[in-house]
Amino acid sequence: QVQLVESGGGVVQPGGSLRLSCEGSGFTFSRYPFHWVRQAPGKGLEWVAVLSYDEVSQNYAGSVRGRFTISRDNSRSTVYLQMNSLKAEDTAIYYCAKDMYINGWGGIDFWGQGTLVTVSS
Amino acid sequence: QAVLTQPSSLSASPGASASLTCTLPSGINFVIYRIYWYQQKPGSPPHFLLRYTSDSDYLQGSGVPSRFSGSKDASANAAILLISGVQSEDEADYFCMIWLSSASMIFGGGTKLTVL
Repeated sequence: QVQLVESGGGVVQPGGSLRLSCEGSGFTFSRYPFHWVRQAPGKGLEWVAVLSYDEVSQNYAGSVRGRFTISRDNSRSTVYLQMNSLKAEDTAIYYCAKDMYINGWGGIDFWGQGTLVTVSS
Repeated sequence: QAVLTQPSSLSASPGASASLTCTLPSGINFVIYRIYWYQQKPGSPPHFLLRYTSDSDYLQGSGVPSRFSGSKDASANAAILLISGVQSEDEADYFCMIWLSSASMIFGGGTKLTVL
């Protein structure tokens, strides 16, 4: 069955950096785009970034563009989110999410369990 | 940035139907968008329920009961998630989502469904 396992969350000071990882299994990882979506405590969902299956195309929410970088290693079935210059408002559960489309992107059909990032001094 | 509007809360009795709406601002042609619906229970990640574009372009999530269905109300520029025969286990938050041509994703604020 499809599994996505995130890791790398934790507590970091404002201005600091953190790298999240998400390992997928149970499907052909290299064929699908991936997203990161976050959810601040008690709040709704906010899309963060997307990366195509071949790393050729990516996009970011305006709130993180220039600070966050999404990447992947298909040989390790892993997608990453490098987060720099972190702010208090980046505090959230970060979900890795699999896109449902092979030729294209734009819909999530499976989510990881999430990893909590807390930005605090 | 377009905003998807969902009522913050809704209550329903067991066995009744619940209609959850997701409204896009006027001027944006909702008809052409694929609308995705997700269910999230406390302490769990979202779960994909269904994708609705039209009656001929419809995808039910794997294992999602048929009592969950999607539709659109063009006159209201709204997507609708209908839960027929609400059960206590349906108590959760429900989010709608669309994928924009700018290659970005927006979510509605979510509706908390309470089963009384």
